[in-house]
Amino acid sequence: NAGVTQTPKFQVLKTGQSMTLQCAQDMNHEYMSWYRQDPGMGLRLIHYSVGAGITDQGEVPNGYNVSRSTTEDFPLRLLSAAPSQTSVYFCASRGLAGGNTGELFFGEGSRLTVL
Amino acid sequence: AQTVTQSQPEMSVQEAETVTLSCTYDTSESDYYLFWYKQPPSRQMILVIRQEAYKQQNATENRFSVNFQKAAKSFSLKISDSQLGDAAMYFCAYRSPYNTDKLIFGTGTRLQVFP
Repeated sequence: NAGVTQTPKFQVLKTGQSMTLQCAQDMNHEYMSWYRQDPGMGLRLIHYSVGAGITDQGEVPNGYNVSRSTTEDFPLRLLSAAPSQTSVYFCASRGLAGGNTGELFFGEGSRLTVL
Repeated sequence: AQTVTQSQPEMSVQEAETVTLSCTYDTSESDYYLFWYKQPPSRQMILVIRQEAYKQQNATENRFSVNFQKAAKSFSLKISDSQLGDAAMYFCAYRSPYNTDKLIFGTGTRLQVFP
């Protein structure tokens, strides 16, 4: 049972570089999302998607792009990395059949450092 | 906007004892969903317990139970018979029925368990 798989687990970037965090789920979940976790701030929603071809902004979307071409994959792109994007990133998915109390399944996180 | 507050940055408990983690939230909605997530050192977020606001009965999952006080907007987590494996960060989270795509997290409580 792979669940939600994120790659890479660790990445160091220089300011201005671009990169993509990959996220894949094998549970046929409609809903996928990206959160960032910063010390003392809990998790904050970056972008989310309720199905292939549909994406929307969360609480802190600036500096990030997403796309959802398939049900399984939801990559997060940093076009020009900034030190403020140093964080731990979590991808999560949820099946809508679970209703409003449906469990959000998380990946193991990706620690990104921008120098 | 809804907010979630966890006022205890750190807590500690002796193995086999009971500990209660506090969570308060602010909302004008009458129906909503509350969650406790555990984040062990491995970083992966794991659902511990969930509560629907319209249900009077407090949720229970084995050694984990909640004390849901809707009027006080309080949602505390009680861990009974604490085990070394319970050591982790615990996050309280809120989901609105009008925006089920977003979980609003508190800042977390780090729980240490001493043998």
